[in-house]
Amino acid sequence: ETGVTQSPTHLIKTRGQQVTLRCSSQSGHNTVSWYQQALGQGPQFIFQYYREEENGRGNFPPRFSGLQFPNYSSELNVNALELDDSALYLCASSSPDRAEEKLFFGSGTQLSVL
Amino acid sequence: SQQGEEDPQALSIQEGENATMNCSYKTSINNLQWYRQNSGRGLVHLILIRSNEREKHSGRLRVTLDTSKKSSSLLITASRAADTASYFCATSSGGSNYKLTFGKGTLLTVNP
Repeated sequence: ETGVTQSPTHLIKTRGQQVTLRCSSQSGHNTVSWYQQALGQGPQFIFQYYREEENGRGNFPPRFSGLQFPNYSSELNVNALELDDSALYLCASSSPDRAEEKLFFGSGTQLSVL
Repeated sequence: SQQGEEDPQALSIQEGENATMNCSYKTSINNLQWYRQNSGRGLVHLILIRSNEREKHSGRLRVTLDTSKKSSSLLITASRAADTASYFCATSSGGSNYKLTFGKGTLLTVNP
């Protein structure tokens, strides 16, 4: 149990729709990262938020956007969903202020785009 | 893009045997970490080895790092059925210790 919670656990959308995924970070962690994991692949970095600012972005189009709130919880928004967006979306928290280099992952949101 | 590549892609052993998984990466790194994932759910951190370290132990886990060959290995000794999972290596490089680049993973099956 990492203390990182994600909601919802499963979601089904149709192509072209928009989706919002939510993440609550572990207590004391001010950095949240989002990863996309396609079936049979390793997680791919989407972006990271540190103290409410985007702090690095992977190779994902602008229709993937995020927010971090003052309590360090975070949202991942995906607009204009495509079939290839079907994946497990993982949120991870960490605390650079504590020099912790490992990530604490939530259980993920399984997104299916039909 | 995937930085690390695990080898083998799948490994099946009997309980009590040792399991060795290898990881190769392409660029210089700050550290290398191993994570475990059960049934496509969240990842759990197992062990971290820094670029200036060569070997690290944690319980039944032993990790080695060879920066000249850009490779790492994870050894799980005296495996148990509960060790059945996917194992991923992940590297951090450049200015960020928190953006990890994962490999495709090794699926380990430990048969009772």
